[in-house]
Amino acid sequence: KNEVEQSPQNLTAQEGEFITINCSYSVGISALHWLQQHPGGGIVSLFMLSSGKKKHGRLIATINIQEKHSSLHITASHPRDSAVYICAVDNTDKLIFGTGTRLQVFP
Amino acid sequence: DTGVSQDPRHKITKRGQNVTFRCDPISEHNRLYWYRQTLGQGPEFLTYFQNEAQLEKSRLLSDRFSAERPKGSFSTLEIQRTEQGDSAMYLCASSLVSGRPPLNYGYTFGSGTRLTVV
Repeated sequence: KNEVEQSPQNLTAQEGEFITINCSYSVGISALHWLQQHPGGGIVSLFMLSSGKKKHGRLIATINIQEKHSSLHITASHPRDSAVYICAVDNTDKLIFGTGTRLQVFP
Repeated sequence: DTGVSQDPRHKITKRGQNVTFRCDPISEHNRLYWYRQTLGQGPEFLTYFQNEAQLEKSRLLSDRFSAERPKGSFSTLEIQRTEQGDSAMYLCASSLVSGRPPLNYGYTFGSGTRLTVV
């Protein structure tokens, strides 16, 4: 069993839909990160969370430390949101990554 | 500062050749990390430096792999006698860690070097 599990692996949506991506982890963490990766490989950091909830534009990230679970929500999704979204946890001075969720948003 | 730079962006090499990648981190960052990502998978940790000291190496880093950060600034990752299984995206990231207990202020990633071994 992977230490960081994401679901779903693939997600398609119509423009405007509300999207949720889930992440569960089984190790102790100091922080959890949500990252975005576009074709070509570059990774952009979206959120760094150690508790509660953060919001940036149409993106919302939540974390429940007791349940070892985090969610990334995208409101009013847009085709430009199409990318791979990766959950990663900070564990003993390094990141452990999930396998990512591939999101495609169609007009 | 232009962020984390990696060079080259793409490298195609023949099996058995040696390759070297370079990473230039954000200048204020004291930590530098190397990760490897294969198709359809999340990145996997290879090694990290705090300043010039290499503090941890993954079991994934076989004897054919070596990483250096000689002056605590840029880093190089060398793969000797490349194999087809080395084909992957090699990602570099940097971060600033300070305080007691140490607090990590977040990671910045480079665009990666895509290695293809033929």
